[in-house]
Amino acid sequence: DGGITQSPKYLFRKEGQNVTLSCEQNLNHDAMYWYRQDPGQGLRLIYYSQIVNDFQKGDIAEGYSVSREKKESFPLTVTSAQKNPTAFYLCASSTPEDSNQPQHFGDGTRLSIL
Amino acid sequence: GEDVEQSLFLSVREGDSSVINCTYTDSSSTYLYWYKQEPGAGLQLLTYIFSNMDMKQDQRLTVLLNKKDKHLSLRIADTQTGDSAIYFCAERHAGNMLTFGGGTRLMVKP
Repeated sequence: DGGITQSPKYLFRKEGQNVTLSCEQNLNHDAMYWYRQDPGQGLRLIYYSQIVNDFQKGDIAEGYSVSREKKESFPLTVTSAQKNPTAFYLCASSTPEDSNQPQHFGDGTRLSIL
Repeated sequence: GEDVEQSLFLSVREGDSSVINCTYTDSSSTYLYWYKQEPGAGLQLLTYIFSNMDMKQDQRLTVLLNKKDKHLSLRIADTQTGDSAIYFCAERHAGNMLTFGGGTRLMVKP
């Protein structure tokens, strides 16, 4: 079955450490997105990529970095510059904008500070 | 800026109807979506409505859109305990970018 796979499901970060969250999709979607969700809040966009080898900052990109070397993969690195990284991170993908199809989501990664 | 607003919490009894409301600000939105999030999981698309429609029905779900007031609602008929979750509305902008509301937590009491 096609879908979006995020790993790991739970991740712990030590002070000063960078950690990378994986997102892989086999839906053949061009666009991919990373969101952050804090308790009791909606989703805020971190980074997005409309095509391979290109990506743009979202609303809260500071302290995060991404790469898009392959269509299927859009890893997110939470750097030590992100001072409040504890949150639930969601990856999504979608077809081009002329389609009526919405964004499809993975099951998320919960990041906590040790 | 664009803001999508939802009430935080709704409690209903099993078998009753639930109505979750949403207001949005971008009159050029082409599609409006309803997503469901169960604890510890990602977002699951429930239904969507195109901006030139007033209503869409899909089994127990009815979506109403009032473009004049920029108001969207999701009605769940015969609400079940399995419907307990957080429900997000989202408006779609150019480039298939979404702006999400803060989510409404639906609690269904047996």
